Amino acid sequence: EAGVVQSPRYKIIEKKQPVAFWCNPISGHNTLYWYRQNLGQGPELLIRYENEEAVDDSQLPKDRFSAERLKGVDSTLKIQPAELGDSAVYLCASSLGAGQYTDTQYFGPGTRLTVL
Amino acid sequence: AQSVTQLGSHVSVSEGALVLLRCNYSSSVPPYLFWYVQYPNQGLQLLLKYTSAATLVKGINGFEAEFKKSETSFHLTKPSAHMSDAAEYFCAVSDDSSASKIIFGSGTRLSIRP
Repeated sequence: EAGVVQSPRYKIIEKKQPVAFWCNPISGHNTLYWYRQNLGQGPELLIRYENEEAVDDSQLPKDRFSAERLKGVDSTLKIQPAELGDSAVYLCASSLGAGQYTDTQYFGPGTRLTVL
Repeated sequence: AQSVTQLGSHVSVSEGALVLLRCNYSSSVPPYLFWYVQYPNQGLQLLLKYTSAATLVKGINGFEAEFKKSETSFHLTKPSAHMSDAAEYFCAVSDDSSASKIIFGSGTRLSIRP
């Protein structure tokens, strides 16, 4: 069974440019998460989807970040415009669904973003 | 609000030696606790999780962790380190039985000396 797929794996852009990350979760997983992992830190949740609905986006900087999960399968996270401080690894994870007792999150390999 | 503190950003042990990675948590409700491992250029992989059943939890790759409520700790151990154990390890906590919101620690990088 394929794991969580993310692309691209690496992205280098100039500040003020837009950038987008794509994630395809494990088949059948209803819940999808986007995390940001700064260098030397643990992941921090940006947004969580249950099917198509964003149920927790309290940590998403909405002035420049946006996300969508059309049809409740794959998802795109966008930054526009990017700032130097956005340099980080962006991780996508998926799980069977909220409400599952200690539902396990499965992580993709991440996209490493460098903003110059 | 819950949080985790990982003591030691970098731990180095010899191959065959005991591995001990420390984690203390803070939670206002009975917590659910996790250890994840991250190999270079890869995503996080669940090692083990505590779900209020047995206090000693066994995970993959020979790792185990013990939940100690009195010490608010959930330290990760492995009796004998292997070179392949070199990675970043993250302790995490959730106060939600669905584990939909997990708070991660800042990580401990484990190095193995030949």
